[in-house]
Amino acid sequence: ETAVFQTPNYHVTQVGNEVSFNCKQTLGHDTMYWYKQDSKKLLKIMFSYNNKQLIVNETVPRRFSPQSSDKAHLNLRIKSVEPEDSAVYLCASSPRTGGADEQYFGPGTRLTVL
Amino acid sequence: GEQVEQRPPHLSVREGDSAIIICTYTDSATAYFSWYKQEAGAGLQLLMSVLSNVDRKEEQGLTVLLNKKDKRLSLNLTAAHPGDSAVYFCAVNNMGYKLTFGTGTSLLVDP
Repeated sequence: ETAVFQTPNYHVTQVGNEVSFNCKQTLGHDTMYWYKQDSKKLLKIMFSYNNKQLIVNETVPRRFSPQSSDKAHLNLRIKSVEPEDSAVYLCASSPRTGGADEQYFGPGTRLTVL
Repeated sequence: GEQVEQRPPHLSVREGDSAIIICTYTDSATAYFSWYKQEAGAGLQLLMSVLSNVDRKEEQGLTVLLNKKDKRLSLNLTAAHPGDSAVYFCAVNNMGYKLTFGTGTSLLVDP
């Protein structure tokens, strides 16, 4: 099956803990993204990687760090979570970098910070 | 930077009726326009995309209209059914590296 896979589906943790989310795409795409979707469903891009190279790094707190081992994987680590990090984190991939580029999304990881 | 407004935030229609969602954008260099559907607990699914040289595109009960003069993009579900109930997002791009998403429209189709 070719798609974008994310693990875990849900994660509940306490303030100050470290969390890591995994994303893998089997579509053969060159570019991957992390988005944050808040409780009002607003979507904001966080990072974008093309062939393991960071190409978009929006203004996010330094406790967030993306990690890419190859073009099929893009993980997200949050070093010391805060309550405002509670959200759904969506991973996506696209065949190219920028332009008229269709993005394919994973199901998301819902993070709850207590 | 690009600003995208989407309306209405909530829309309720009866089965068989049409549902229209509108987005307005600010950057005249915007050249790529798309619509996504997000069902409960799922990621976003691409419905349709158009480039700026297209004014109208129809596929499988969906119509996308682009008015570049007014910087307005619309999605029309011509005969909605309960399976269309979801949150819909427009997304635009000026051929750069990132999409800018609208604020979403929660559509409810009553049987």
